[in-house]
Amino acid sequence: DGGITQSPKYLFRKEGQNVTLSCEQNLNHDAMYWYRQDPGQGLRLIYYSQIVNDFQKGDIAEGYSVSREKKESFPLTVTSAQKNPTAFYLCASGTSRTQYFGPGTRLTVL
Amino acid sequence: GQQLNQSPQSMFIQEGEDVSMNCTSSSIFNTWLWYKQEPGEGPVLLIALYKAGELTSNGRLTAQFGITRKDSFLNISASIPSDVGIYFCAGLGGGADGLTFGKGTHLIIQP
Repeated sequence: DGGITQSPKYLFRKEGQNVTLSCEQNLNHDAMYWYRQDPGQGLRLIYYSQIVNDFQKGDIAEGYSVSREKKESFPLTVTSAQKNPTAFYLCASGTSRTQYFGPGTRLTVL
Repeated sequence: GQQLNQSPQSMFIQEGEDVSMNCTSSSIFNTWLWYKQEPGEGPVLLIALYKAGELTSNGRLTAQFGITRKDSFLNISASIPSDVGIYFCAGLGGGADGLTFGKGTHLIIQP
């Protein structure tokens, strides 16, 4: 079954902890993306990667880090430096013509 | 980064009515995409537009890429209860860069 998977669906974190969100795709797309969504807002770009072992900062990269060691995988780490990490995180993969989204991970900081 | 100006912010309509929403930008885009998102889920791609002036349909949905390349609209005809959700426009400037999103139109249908 082709698509994008994200895990976990829900994640709870204590302040000061780093957490890593998983994103995997089997669509054979070169490009992968991480977006953040806050209530009543559109999606904002955190990081993106157009090819393995390379990635670029998006509009709100501060407090986040990524890696792209495999074409299929693009994990996002939310570090303790992110001041307001509670949000819905969406991973996408795509081409120069479109992007498809995973089901999302809801992160809550306790 | 910029966000697109999407309107209306919300719509309360009766089942069977037609719906129209639009997005405008100060920048030119090469691609316009329209997505629908339901609570707790990721956005689902509805329609993709690649050429200025292009008019594309997907069932009861019709979208157009504005001639100036700075705007797009989405129409839904004869709305049904399963159309409820948040509709987002998104622009893609070029290459495989990230999307720029509008803030969404929340569609609510009263039976």
